[in-house]
Amino acid sequence: KNQVEQSPQSLIILEGKNCTLQCNYTVSPFSNLRWYKQDTGRGPVSLTIMTFSENTKSNGRYTATLDADTKQSSLHITASQLSDSASYICVVSDRGSTLGRLYFGRGTQLTVWP
Amino acid sequence: EADIYQTPRYLVIGTGKKITLECSQTMGHDKMYWYQQDPGMELHLIHYSYGVNSTEKGDLSSESTVSRIRTEHFPLTLESARPSHTSQYLCATSGGDSYEQYFGPGTRLTVT
Repeated sequence: KNQVEQSPQSLIILEGKNCTLQCNYTVSPFSNLRWYKQDTGRGPVSLTIMTFSENTKSNGRYTATLDADTKQSSLHITASQLSDSASYICVVSDRGSTLGRLYFGRGTQLTVWP
Repeated sequence: EADIYQTPRYLVIGTGKKITLECSQTMGHDKMYWYQQDPGMELHLIHYSYGVNSTEKGDLSSESTVSRIRTEHFPLTLESARPSHTSQYLCATSGGDSYEQYFGPGTRLTVT
């Protein structure tokens, strides 16, 4: 069964600290992996998209890594800010259909305290 | 900023009412999607469209229906709302061969 598992479920850190969120997936075949940020009551916003051949991608203070062999990804946030408080969702797309079906994780709820 | 608009943003209605959730986009994207999301849970695809007059059901069974008469609009209708329909509904678009999906702000529906 194709699944996307994220850990931890929730995380609290102090402003300025770094953190790393994890994503493990069993989706096969694999096309790409995305990380989204979703603020409360809003739609998800894309942070990074990585294909099979990419193992790291950065977007400002956000750096995503991908190990397609172990089917693991991480999202590292550097020097956290209060505005980073949100849910971070890992999404994996297969290449088995023209739709490029997306498999969503449940997200990691990050809270940044001052 | 996103060029995807959803109205209303919040809706509280009674059981049995007919409702239509609006989604419109100004990006000219051919593909549009409706997702349902409960608090703390993953997004589930309930409908999608590849273009005008093309609609398909998604992975999660839904009593809602959709239409795609114009590229810009992808409304979702519930003929008779029930408390089990209480959820957040998110509209998204994508264009061409891009992997990227752009999400609207969502509609938070509460059926009493």
